[in-house]
Amino acid sequence: QVQLVQSGAEVKTPGSSVRVSCKASGGTFGTYGVTWVRQAPGQGLEWMGGFTPPLTTPTYAQKLQGRLTVITDESTATAYMELSGLRSEDTAVYYCACGLMYYFEYWGQGTLVAVSS
Amino acid sequence: DIQMTQSPSSVSASVGDRITVTCQASQDIGRWLAWYQQKPGKAPKLVIYAASNLQGGVPSRFSGSGSGTDFTLTISSLQPEDFATYYCQQANTFPFTFGPGTNVDIK
Repeated sequence: QVQLVQSGAEVKTPGSSVRVSCKASGGTFGTYGVTWVRQAPGQGLEWMGGFTPPLTTPTYAQKLQGRLTVITDESTATAYMELSGLRSEDTAVYYCACGLMYYFEYWGQGTLVAVSS
Repeated sequence: DIQMTQSPSSVSASVGDRITVTCQASQDIGRWLAWYQQKPGKAPKLVIYAASNLQGGVPSRFSGSGSGTDFTLTISSLQPEDFATYYCQQANTFPFTFGPGTNVDIK
């Protein structure tokens, strides 16, 4: 059973960057991969990108290309999502998720990122 | 990108009712489809994967079917804990897009 624990809420100003962490226990990102999904207030789920085995390089949603970076540190079993050039429309709950066969069986608890001047 | 649509967007039902939610992909995705249940303030929960496979621990009243572009999620007898929003997600082609969601609430 994989458990994912995310870092706490963040308040950021427009143009800044945010880094959210996701620590895994009971499994490795090398096996399950890691994907980031966000949900704006009152809205649906948006796939952002991540690592999906057997691929070893991340894949990102085109709309976030150039602003999104997903990395994993297997030594600490932690994945990181960094989003730069923050805008008000990036205000959302950000989830890390992982699983086998491209389906997201395990989810973190979510991290609220609020972007406001 | 593959576009996912769901219908209805919302359904009101009673405990014991049978409900069906449909999901349509803008192109053939084979059976690369999942269904998630999300309750307010909580992370989504995987219910069905590969179109019709029940995720471990999910009650058998949930079932999924379909292939290609048209899929359904059926709950055979709604229980109080099933009232939630349901999302489909295609896992055939990056980006792995989600449907807009179907809210199942109490009549």
